[in-house]
Amino acid sequence: EAQVTQNPRYLITVTGKKLTVTCSQNMNHEYMSWYRQDPGLGLRQIYYSMNVEVTDKGDVPEGYKVSRKEKRNFPLILESPSPNQTSLYFCASSLYAREIAGTDTQYFGPGTRLTVL
Amino acid sequence: AQSVTQLDSHVSVSEGTPVLLRCNYSSSYSPSLFWYVQHPNKGLQLLLKYTSAATLVKGINGFEAEFKKSETSFHLTKPSAHMSDAAEYFCVVRIYNTDKLIFGTGTRLQVFP
Repeated sequence: EAQVTQNPRYLITVTGKKLTVTCSQNMNHEYMSWYRQDPGLGLRQIYYSMNVEVTDKGDVPEGYKVSRKEKRNFPLILESPSPNQTSLYFCASSLYAREIAGTDTQYFGPGTRLTVL
Repeated sequence: AQSVTQLDSHVSVSEGTPVLLRCNYSSSYSPSLFWYVQHPNKGLQLLLKYTSAATLVKGINGFEAEFKKSETSFHLTKPSAHMSDAAEYFCVVRIYNTDKLIFGTGTRLQVFP
């Protein structure tokens, strides 16, 4: 089954304790992205990657890191989490062939609810 | 700059009545527009997308949306609401020549029996 998986689904941690949220897709997609969802703000992009070893900042990158060592995996790293990073996080992926009709749909993971105390 | 504006943060309807969720877009180019749905404690699911092939787009679960260039709108409709339609709906535009998505702030749909 084609899917994007995230782990963990729920995480409660304390300020300053490094954590990693994993994201994996089995669709051979080039493009992967992380979003955070906050009430009244919709989803905002944190980082994205157009292919292996190619990553770039989205709209809200402060306090986050990412890596793309393999095509299927795109982990989100919080080196020193703070309470303002309490949010619902989504990973997404799509084919990197955006102007070809039908290939620009992004598929989303189930989400990771993070609470930083 | 490309953007979307969802005109209602909450919409309430009775089961069996029509649904209208409003979205206006701003784009200098022919936009790629999407509607995603998020059920409580679930991820996002694509309902439908517009990519210039046809102005009336049919999606899953009986939803459809009409692209109106003159009104810069992409409203989501359904003739008859079902209890299972209660969810949050996001209107989304893809930035031209990138893979970046810009999300609206969401519309929460409540369906009363």
